[in-house]
Amino acid sequence: EIVLTQSPGTLSLSPGERATLSCRASQSVSGSNLAWYQQKPGQAPRLLIYDASKRATGIPDRFSGSGSGTDFTLTISRLEPEDFAVYFCQQYNGIPLYSFGQGTKLEI
Amino acid sequence: EVQLLESGGGVLVQPGGSLRLSCAVSGFTFSSYAMSWVRQAPGKGLECVSVISETGSHTYYADSVKGQFTISRDNSKNTLYLQMNSLRVEDTAVYYCAKRMAGTTRVFDYWGQGTLVTVSS
Repeated sequence: EIVLTQSPGTLSLSPGERATLSCRASQSVSGSNLAWYQQKPGQAPRLLIYDASKRATGIPDRFSGSGSGTDFTLTISRLEPEDFAVYFCQQYNGIPLYSFGQGTKLEI
Repeated sequence: EVQLLESGGGVLVQPGGSLRLSCAVSGFTFSSYAMSWVRQAPGKGLECVSVISETGSHTYYADSVKGQFTISRDNSKNTLYLQMNSLRVEDTAVYYCAKRMAGTTRVFDYWGQGTLVTVSS
């Protein structure tokens, strides 16, 4: 079973700064089948990145994803006020077929 | 515009009870996409509990709900369902209906706003 561990649990930054969020898998995620979602309070998750580095439709280019194997990173180059939210990673090629990390809260 | 609208939650269910959730969709060709139910317990992370293929011929269940929940769809009505039986306190969560991206990429590109299921005595 692939377990995704996100770090840090909480990241405190200011608008304009760069954010780097980590997602580590307990086993290799083949095909770079990893996605990132953003969730704001009271809202549904929103897909940001899939296949480790592809931006979903309408996602600003300040969001980028990288990594392969067991280590993946979501980078937000310059934080905007609306970026403060919880971020989840998801793998979709291992067992269980769909699993999420526990989340990283990005706060001001 | 893609829209997914869940219903059937918002009620208090006793342990051991049953509930059926529905998700009415619009803005895309429902029969062309796999669909899923993803839940989120209060203050917790996300769990994909079930996925159904475009035609309904293939289904997937998380171990935590296998034998307890049944996913189905009616492509003529553009509606997704989740039948939940033998409900437990730990099934308390917001349940989201989610559309899976086209092809083999098993990510969820559109989500409903969610419906709260509360299981308590």
